[in-house]
Amino acid sequence: AQSVAQPEDQVNVAEGNPLTVKCTYSVSGNPYLFWYVQYPNRGLQFLLKYITGDNLVKGSYGFEAEFNKSQTSFHLKKPSALVSDSALYFCAVSSPGGYQKVTFGTGTKLQVIP
Amino acid sequence: ETGVTQSPTHLIKTRGQQVTLRCSSQSGHNTVSWYQQALGQGPQFIFQYYREEENGRGNFPPRFSGLQFPNYSSELNVNALELDDSALYLCASSLGQNLRETQYFGPGTRLLVL
Repeated sequence: AQSVAQPEDQVNVAEGNPLTVKCTYSVSGNPYLFWYVQYPNRGLQFLLKYITGDNLVKGSYGFEAEFNKSQTSFHLKKPSALVSDSALYFCAVSSPGGYQKVTFGTGTKLQVIP
Repeated sequence: ETGVTQSPTHLIKTRGQQVTLRCSSQSGHNTVSWYQQALGQGPQFIFQYYREEENGRGNFPPRFSGLQFPNYSSELNVNALELDDSALYLCASSLGQNLRETQYFGPGTRLLVL
């Protein structure tokens, strides 16, 4: 069975500082990894994904994530946080083959402090 | 905006009733997935439809069923509602069932079962 762990329920960061939201995963075979963001009373918005290739993935709104196979991690990063980045962030994993059964983590609330 | 719409936005039902939730995918997207997101949790995969056929299901009982139509709309039906069915229901569409295709989420339908 595949699973995702987001060890921090909430991350607080000052505006302008770099931010990291952590994610580790467990899956058989090569993983497909995703990050989504959810604003209050909204659906999920796609940020970025890792399928194959370069371990550093760049996504929307200046976010990036680094795939680390040995540590089974896919941490989300941004060099300079904005107040508007405050939201709920979800990491998700799936494996190749078949349908799009994606397993999500429980989410990390990011609070950017002005 | 993702181009994926859902209706209604909110719904209140009582135990034992039946409910139908609707989703309109982006034009050309032949794959739709449905997720249940309980309060404070990540989305959980219910099932996926590809070209009007169910081709994958998560750990949900048969009283959760769906339909997908040729006009890129789809439905999630839940029979014999239970209190635990109270959640945000999200649909996500994509160009294909391959995981390389990005899933685009709708804003969700919030269902309350009393």
